[in-house]
Amino acid sequence: DARVTQTPRHKVTEMGQEVTMRCQPILGHNTVFWYRQTMMQGLELLAYFRNRAPLDDSGMPKDRFSAEMPDATLATLKIQPSEPRDSAVYFCASGSQGPQNEQYFGPGTRLTVT
Amino acid sequence: AQSVTQPDIHITVSEGASLELRCNYSYGATPYLFWYVQSPGQGLQLLLKYFSGDTLVQGIKGFEAEFKRSQSSFNLRKPSVHWSDAAEYFCAVYGGATNKLIFGTGTLLAVQP
Repeated sequence: DARVTQTPRHKVTEMGQEVTMRCQPILGHNTVFWYRQTMMQGLELLAYFRNRAPLDDSGMPKDRFSAEMPDATLATLKIQPSEPRDSAVYFCASGSQGPQNEQYFGPGTRLTVT
Repeated sequence: AQSVTQPDIHITVSEGASLELRCNYSYGATPYLFWYVQSPGQGLQLLLKYFSGDTLVQGIKGFEAEFKRSQSSFNLRKPSVHWSDAAEYFCAVYGGATNKLIFGTGTLLAVQP
């Protein structure tokens, strides 16, 4: 049963610390998405990659967030420095070809910044 | 730009009753439309999608949705709700111009015994 995995599932950190979230997409999927979910803003697309290349990161605060795909089996989302307003659930999703096709979501990383 | 509106934030139905969740979209051309479900503490799972063709779409778990262009709607239905259907439901629209999937704010479904 192929699934998207995300680590850690929960992260509590202090303001100013670096946070790294990791995602393993489903093998064979060439598109990876990062979303942020909050009560106030709902689900927001932060960035997405196709064939490991960033195609759109317009939803991501550039000054503190960065997203990379070091290889086809790993996507990372980093926040440095973290702020309390970054507290949210961060989802990774993977799929084939693009956003118009089905996206398979991981279980999310719940981030709390104090 | 495309957008999605889910007018009902929270709905409660009795087990065995029928269900309809509303979704309205805004997009200049024929959109790609989706319904996803999110169980507590989980990621989203695709229920069904509409790209073209038959406007009544069947999905998993006994759900269906009907695309109505004249009303810019894509409402989700289920004839008989089960307690396990309690979850949050998201409608989403893909528009080629932005090349993004835009999600609605979600409808939280509670099921009474």
